[in-house]
Amino acid sequence: SAVISQKPSRDICQRGTSLTIQCQVDSQVTMMFWYRQQPGQSLTLIATANQGSEATYESGFVIDKFPISRPNLTFSTLTVSNMSPEDSSIYLCSVPRAGQDTQYFGPGTRLTVL
Amino acid sequence: AQTVTQSQPEMSVQEAETVTLSCTYDTSESNYYLLWYKQPPSRQMILVIRQEAYKQQNATENRFSVNFQKAAKSFSLKISDSQLGDTAMYFCAFSGGATNKLIFGTGTLLAVQP
Repeated sequence: SAVISQKPSRDICQRGTSLTIQCQVDSQVTMMFWYRQQPGQSLTLIATANQGSEATYESGFVIDKFPISRPNLTFSTLTVSNMSPEDSSIYLCSVPRAGQDTQYFGPGTRLTVL
Repeated sequence: AQTVTQSQPEMSVQEAETVTLSCTYDTSESNYYLLWYKQPPSRQMILVIRQEAYKQQNATENRFSVNFQKAAKSFSLKISDSQLGDTAMYFCAFSGGATNKLIFGTGTLLAVQP
């Protein structure tokens, strides 16, 4: 199984600022996914990050608000830009489980925007 | 587009008893997987069980089993001999098509009472 770490585990930020979340995997993977989980809600896919190409964003999410980097096959970052209280959520990264159509998830980053 | 519906926002069960969580889905895909994830208060997403749509036999993992009714597009999770550590949010998820994306239901919060 893949081991995924995320930094920071939690943060409290002021509105108007930006936060970059890191996701590190212990093995090389082609795709990485970023999800948002708003308080008391389910997980919603933000974007799919492929190494060497632009991330693919889901409807309702844009690159200016959630820029993603994927510099190599084991690492990705998600930036939440110009934050507002509505961005308070848990942000999770995940990677596919090889050949099994499931995903391993990181521990998540709990973001609170004041 | 795929949809996943969980109609039970909350459920409660006594320790050692059996509980069933419901999930229905809709898809036009012929090849897909259905999954149950558990999210305890630690917020780590943990895969509980998975079912390949082409398999008629219901998946079983220790105390966890599914009742997969493909024609009815129903995928329920049965937890036998419930334990206090089973207290968590349970998400039903769909995985299919070429993208490895997961589509999540809204979740069921399960409380196991001593």
